[in-house]
Amino acid sequence: DTEVTQTPKHLVMGMTNKKSLKCEQHMGHRAMYWYKQKAKKPPELMFVYSYEKLSINESVPSRFSPECPNSSLLNLHLHALQPEDSALYLCASSGQGAGSPLHFGNGTRLTVT
Amino acid sequence: AQSVTQLGSHVSVSEGALVLLRCNYSSSVPPYLFWYVQYPNQGLQLLLKYTSAATLVKGINGFEAEFKKSETSFHLTKPSAHMSDAAEYFCAVGRGSNFGNEKLTFGTGTRLTIIP
Repeated sequence: DTEVTQTPKHLVMGMTNKKSLKCEQHMGHRAMYWYKQKAKKPPELMFVYSYEKLSINESVPSRFSPECPNSSLLNLHLHALQPEDSALYLCASSGQGAGSPLHFGNGTRLTVT
Repeated sequence: AQSVTQLGSHVSVSEGALVLLRCNYSSSVPPYLFWYVQYPNQGLQLLLKYTSAATLVKGINGFEAEFKKSETSFHLTKPSAHMSDAAEYFCAVGRGSNFGNEKLTFGTGTRLTIIP
């Protein structure tokens, strides 16, 4: 069982919809991540939060809006997405200290119609 | 800058045979290296990591990897393949940061197929 929980597992949304992806971890990790993974490709980093503050934004379009309400929760708000945004969205967390591995959730499979 | 190259996007081995998945890295500072496995419709699971302690690293499911600085390699091996090893494998390099997070650079992945 993964220690990082993502909901929903699957999401289908139209281009005018607003939806949110949710991620939760209870490992006491203070760094949380959003990755996007297209089929047969490696994960691509989107955002990193450290101590609930956004520390890395990899030039992600503004139709993706991250939020970190507290140290255990991470959200990704979606608005006016395009069909090419369809992908597996992975959340991860890591502990402090250099070389701390990332722990990934099982992802949300997003389809934009 | 850091990068990872995984040689062979697809590797097929017979059940019971040696598994060897290749990873070469480039990093301007001593790297942290990771191998992750991804099963269909799942997230990534950590197999093992190298963080400058022992050069031979043992991981889960019988996998191990050897860090060779002179060859800038971190190849993943398993002595005897099992059908359950069929999955996508990613090598990744990181170096930590002052923000308490880890910015990983992933390789393109190797799909491992096990032949019965």
